[in-house]
Amino acid sequence: DAGVTQSPTHLIKTRGQQVTLRCSPISGHKSVSWYQQVLGQGPQFIFQYYEKEERGRGNFPDRFSARQFPNYSSELNVNALLLGDSALYLCASSLQWGGDTQYFGPGTRLTVL
Amino acid sequence: GESVGLHLPTLSVQEGDNSIINCAYSNSASDYFIWYKQESGKGPQFIIDIRSNMDKRQGQRVTVLLNKTVKHLSLQIAATQPGDSAVYFCAEFPGGSQGNLIFGKGTKLSVKP
Repeated sequence: DAGVTQSPTHLIKTRGQQVTLRCSPISGHKSVSWYQQVLGQGPQFIFQYYEKEERGRGNFPDRFSARQFPNYSSELNVNALLLGDSALYLCASSLQWGGDTQYFGPGTRLTVL
Repeated sequence: GESVGLHLPTLSVQEGDNSIINCAYSNSASDYFIWYKQESGKGPQFIIDIRSNMDKRQGQRVTVLLNKTVKHLSLQIAATQPGDSAVYFCAEFPGGSQGNLIFGKGTKLSVKP
């Protein structure tokens, strides 16, 4: 079975631009979570969706938004990019919401110049 | 701040030796814990998990110990191999209305041949 997939793998943007990252969960998983990982640190929680509804949001500005589609795939959007948004963006999927094992995708490496 | 932290940021071991990676958590309500392995340029890979009603759980060459009294987790890797070289994160589910994971900064394990 395929694991969590993310696209694109790498992305280079300039300050002020907008970006959309995509994630497909493991088949049968209904929950998707997004994390930001800055070099040298652990992942930081951004959003969690379950059954197409937002179930949690981390301490990120409103420039960050996300959604989950009927097929449980998800998109993360970031507007007005800043240099500090450069990071590895990770998507994780789980069967259910809450205390359920989260499996991570390979991530999207975003570089903002 | 983050409630999950690691005592040792780096650990260097000889191939064949046992490795022990430690982690402290601060939320006594956390009821589920996961250890992840992250290789350079990749997403976190699930290693082993443990729920708060257990003290110990074993997998293939790995053992997780949970001490709820002092809020401490450890990951033991038996007969460490060069392929075990990576950054290891512990993560906790704080429970309640939060369905996301909280990560520490990670411990880098280097295995010398």
